[in-house]
Amino acid sequence: QVQLQESGPGLVKPSETLSLTCTVLGGSINSDYWSWIRQPPGKGLEWIGYSYYSGRTDYNPSLRSRVSISVDTSKNQFSLKVRSVTAADTAVYYCAKGGDEFHDGQLRPGAFDNWGRGTLVTVSS
Amino acid sequence: DIQMTQSPSTLSASVGDRVTITCRASQTISNWLAWYQLKPGKAPKLLIYKASTLESGVPSRFSGSGSGTEFTLTISSLQPDDFATYSCQQYYSYRTFGLGTKVEIK
Repeated sequence: QVQLQESGPGLVKPSETLSLTCTVLGGSINSDYWSWIRQPPGKGLEWIGYSYYSGRTDYNPSLRSRVSISVDTSKNQFSLKVRSVTAADTAVYYCAKGGDEFHDGQLRPGAFDNWGRGTLVTVSS
Repeated sequence: DIQMTQSPSTLSASVGDRVTITCRASQTISNWLAWYQLKPGKAPKLLIYKASTLESGVPSRFSGSGSGTEFTLTISSLQPDDFATYSCQQYYSYRTFGLGTKVEIK
C-alpha cells in the first residue's frame, strides 16, 4: 500500500512562496498522477492541481497563475509551489494519488485513491 | 465551474441507523463522482468512485448511486467507526468538492 507524506514549513510570510513536498513510500511515482488539495479552516476541500509522472499538468483555474506542481522521479517525490501567498492560503494541504478511469469510452484521470494526512500551513507575518 | 451541493450539512444518527447523504451537481457530470470519508488528523479515504463503484477494502455497508446531477451515498447500518465527515467530489471537469456532511452521534 502506497503511503504519502507531506513536508514543508508550517509558517510562511505574506507575499512569499509556499513550498511543500510529498514523498511517495512503498510504491513508484512512475505511474498514475499526483495531486495537491487543500482545506482552509472551517471550509471545504479545494483541488489545487495535479501532475502526471511524465510532467503533464493541470491546475485549478482560480489558482493557475500562482501555482506549480512538479514530479522528481529520482527522489520519488512531487512538490507544490504557491507564489505570492496571503492569509487566504492558510490551510491544511494534502497530497494525493489518482489513477486513470474509463468512463463512457474515455480514459481520464480518476478519483484520488490515496492521500497523505495533511500538513497545516499558516500564512502570517 | 461545476458546483457541488451536499445535504444535509450535519446529520445526527445512532449506531445501526440507515444514513443517506445527497450531492447535487450544478451541471451534468455523468458518473464522474467520488465519495470520501474525512476524519481529523487522518488521511482522507476514498469510499466510492464512478458514482457507484466500491473502493477495494471499503465495507459493503457503503453504497453509492446516481448519475447526471443527483447522487447519494448510503450507509446501510451505521457503525461506531463511521462517525466522520463525508465529502463528494466531481472529476468531470477539473475537480470540485462538496462542503461536506458531518455524521455525528445522536
